[in-house]
Amino acid sequence: EVQLVESGGGLVQPGGSLRLSCAASGFIFSTYDMHWVRQATGKGLEWVSGISTTADTHYPGSVKGRFTISRQNAKNSLYLQMNSLRAGDTAVYYCVRSYYYMDVWGKGTTVTVSS
Amino acid sequence: EIVLTQSPATLSLSPGERATLSCRASQSVSSYLAWYQQKPGQAPRLLIYDASNRATGIPARFSGSGSGTDFTLTISSLDPEDFAVYYCHQRTNWPLTFGGGTKVEI
Repeated sequence: EVQLVESGGGLVQPGGSLRLSCAASGFIFSTYDMHWVRQATGKGLEWVSGISTTADTHYPGSVKGRFTISRQNAKNSLYLQMNSLRAGDTAVYYCVRSYYYMDVWGKGTTVTVSS
Repeated sequence: EIVLTQSPATLSLSPGERATLSCRASQSVSSYLAWYQQKPGQAPRLLIYDASNRATGIPARFSGSGSGTDFTLTISSLDPEDFAVYYCHQRTNWPLTFGGGTKVEI
């Protein structure tokens, strides 16, 4: 079964850091681009980072310079290092597989930035 | 950044009725547009890719059309399980973007 399981969410103070992880199984991880997409409570979807099979990375302006996406193919794992966190980063963060389109989503992990 | 504008924000319909959802892009995305369905408490699910191709396992009552800047998702006859929020998404340019969503409610 194709599966993505996120972990690492939690409560962090403004200005703090958090590292999210995503464990992939049921498919050949190294052959897919991967993304992180977030959703604040009651709001829409926001793409926050993507990494290709060749480790090229992309970010929107809202997180560029603060977030870093990485992957470790040998461990079938995706990561998101989040620094200088703000209240506006509070959301459910989804790990997403992509082959041209985002076709498999994890259940998400919740990040809350609050003092 | 390509902005995707979805309309209407909310669509109130009954089971068996036809639903027509719109997504307009601020610049051409060719046919590189997808539609996702999200139910409360669940992750989004891919319905349509490349504007008009149904994803694996998606019922035939879902169809997509359009190219360039104007796209439509049609649900031919609403099933009770279709009441959800629908998002369009473009992969033409970085940053990847999503529309604001259309809620289909009873």
